[in-house]
Amino acid sequence: QKEVEQDPGPLSVPEGAIVSLNCTYSNSAFQYFMWYRQYSRKGPELLMYTYSSGNKEDGRFTAQVDKSSKYISLFIRDSQPSDSATYLCAMSARYTGFQKLVFGTGTRLLVSP
Amino acid sequence: DGGITQSPKYLFRKEGQNVTLSCEQNLNHDAMYWYRQDPGQGLRLIYYSQIVNDFQKGDIAEGYSVSREKKESFPLTVTSAQKNPTAFYLCASSQREGLAADTQYFGPGTRLTVL
Repeated sequence: QKEVEQDPGPLSVPEGAIVSLNCTYSNSAFQYFMWYRQYSRKGPELLMYTYSSGNKEDGRFTAQVDKSSKYISLFIRDSQPSDSATYLCAMSARYTGFQKLVFGTGTRLLVSP
Repeated sequence: DGGITQSPKYLFRKEGQNVTLSCEQNLNHDAMYWYRQDPGQGLRLIYYSQIVNDFQKGDIAEGYSVSREKKESFPLTVTSAQKNPTAFYLCASSQREGLAADTQYFGPGTRLTVL
C-alpha cells in the first residue's frame, strides 16, 4: 500500500463548477500538508500549505485536512479553463530535522469552457 | 526575481554516456533536492542536501551522483549505471529551519531522453 493515494483522473468539469480533489494517507506522523499545481511540462507550483487539521482558504482555493480520517481535500470554486493542470498532494513528517516530502501521483483536471 | 533555474530544458543521452543536469537557486535556501517524475509514479527523491559540502541519498540514488560545492548550486549527474534514465527531473529548494523549512519550491524541470 502506498503512503499517499490519489486518484489519477482525469477529472473533467465545465467552467464554473466546484472541483473537489482528494488524497488519503496511511502515516499518522504526517503533519504538514501541501497542494501543488503542475502544468504540462512544467515544474510544480505550491498552491496551498496547511499544518495539522482544519481549513485554509486562499481566493478560490480551500484546503481541508482531516487527520482523524487521514484525508485531505482541495476545493476549487468557480473553476476556470486556466485551472486545467495536474494537482499533486504532498505531505511530510520530520525525521531528525530533515523534511521528507511524500507525494501523491497527481490528479489531472480538465476544465472545459 | 528569486527562483530556481534548471538547464537544459531538454537533454538527449546516448547509451553509456554520463550527463549532468544543472540546478541554481537565488532564494538563499540552505536545502536542495533532486526528484525524478515518471508517469503514474509521482515524484521520487533521488538526493538531497541540507548544507554546503553535505548530501544524502534519497529513495532512488543508484546510478546518480551529486555535489554541493556552493549554496546556490546542486548539479545532478546521471551516470551510465542508471538503467532507465528517461524521465522528467525536478530540482527543489527549501529553508532548513523553522516552519518555512517544510515548503519546497521547484524549478521548471529537465526532460532527459535516452536515445
